[in-house]
Amino acid sequence: AIQMTQSPSSLSASVGDRVTITCRASQDIRNDLGWYQQKPGKAPKLLIYAASNLHSGVPSRFSGSGSGTDFTLTISSLQPEDFATYYCLQDYNYQLTFGGGTKVEIK
Amino acid sequence: EVQVVESGGGLVQPGGSLRLSCAASELTFSGYWMNWVRQPPGKGLEWVATIRADGSETYYVDSVKGRFTVSRDNAKNSLYLQMNSLRAEDTAVYYCARDRGYCTGESCYCLMDYWGQGTLVSVSS
Repeated sequence: AIQMTQSPSSLSASVGDRVTITCRASQDIRNDLGWYQQKPGKAPKLLIYAASNLHSGVPSRFSGSGSGTDFTLTISSLQPEDFATYYCLQDYNYQLTFGGGTKVEIK
Repeated sequence: EVQVVESGGGLVQPGGSLRLSCAASELTFSGYWMNWVRQPPGKGLEWVATIRADGSETYYVDSVKGRFTVSRDNAKNSLYLQMNSLRAEDTAVYYCARDRGYCTGESCYCLMDYWGQGTLVSVSS
């Protein structure tokens, strides 16, 4: 199965900060990657699909980039509602795998 | 209103069985691939299974192959996960999620755009 290594596992940031989360695949997955946000006790929400496409209704401060093995989720200006855990998900084949998650906490 | 609602979780002994259900509105369900994703307490997300829109093919994570079966009843807008030979490590919140899918050229991408609230499965003696 394709392994997805996400980093960092956690970070502390302030409102207004630019935040970058990375995901590395154990093999080339083209651009078959999505990003999800999860808040405590809630179901995940889709942010980005096909590596760089913003899902409908998601604020434009979220963006995704990358292809092959290295991918990035960027939050351009962190807002209070963005404190959450973020996961990448590869869908290159139907043995989908999530990254381990990145918890974004308030500094 | 789009709704996805899971049910059927509970406490079961190791080696036991449980059947999860996911009910969705017709607009949410019809014509879409569906997924089960789980999350052990305090841990990350793990994809469990996927079923195509017509039920013709299913896919599973290796750790549940031969023990879990995903199925659907399109007439009832319902998704199921039959879980047999349950183990302690299957303890998790199980989410049902729609895959809206996005295809361009020769590539198709997974978009899990609607999720239920989750149902907790606890495997313990």
